[in-house]
Amino acid sequence: EPEVTQTPSHQVTQMGQEVILRCVPISNHLYFYWYRQILGQKVEFLVSFYNNEISEKSEIFDDQFSVERPDGSNFTLKIRSTKLEDSAMYFCASSVIGEANNYGYTFGSGTRLTVV
Amino acid sequence: GNSVTQMEGPVTLSEEAFLTINCTYTATGYPSLFWYVQYPGEGLQLLLKATKADDKGSNKGFEATYRKETTSFHLEKGSVQVSDSAVYFCALRASGGSYIPTFGRGTSLIVHP
Repeated sequence: EPEVTQTPSHQVTQMGQEVILRCVPISNHLYFYWYRQILGQKVEFLVSFYNNEISEKSEIFDDQFSVERPDGSNFTLKIRSTKLEDSAMYFCASSVIGEANNYGYTFGSGTRLTVV
Repeated sequence: GNSVTQMEGPVTLSEEAFLTINCTYTATGYPSLFWYVQYPGEGLQLLLKATKADDKGSNKGFEATYRKETTSFHLEKGSVQVSDSAVYFCALRASGGSYIPTFGRGTSLIVHP
């Protein structure tokens, strides 16, 4: 069964450093998403991406965050200058169409980011 | 705004016990409701869904009924197995507007043999 692959599974970075989280969505999917879950809290939407541009983003997704699909395969989330409060599990997801919720997204297994 | 509230975990049960994980929501209109499951080391997977009031979603022995009068979508299973140990997420998508779903915080289920 096709799956969304995220790397690395765990990343530790120093505060103020840039970090790039990588995702390989399912090949025929067109919509891509990043979510995060701070330990013990809700899964929060960050951003959705379609046709090489951001289609929707939340308040969390400020200027410190960016996304891109550099090579038509990978979908990356960059945090420019990490803060302690960026420590969380980051989930990538993809879907065939935008109305994915009636069919379900396909999620990756997540990258646990720890900022020290 | 939209929100989903799940019971706190972990929920710890013995094999073959009855499971209920509570989920209530706040949303305008008629949202669609979902349960996702995350097994250890894997991504979130859609478990079941219901798109209108009184619908019952079911899959793998799990069931949840969309109760508009109580704004709830509780997950149930009659007899849990060790392999059901996972984190369960309730989610909604509001009718109209953004199609981005809103998730709860997840409830961890641990089933002992």
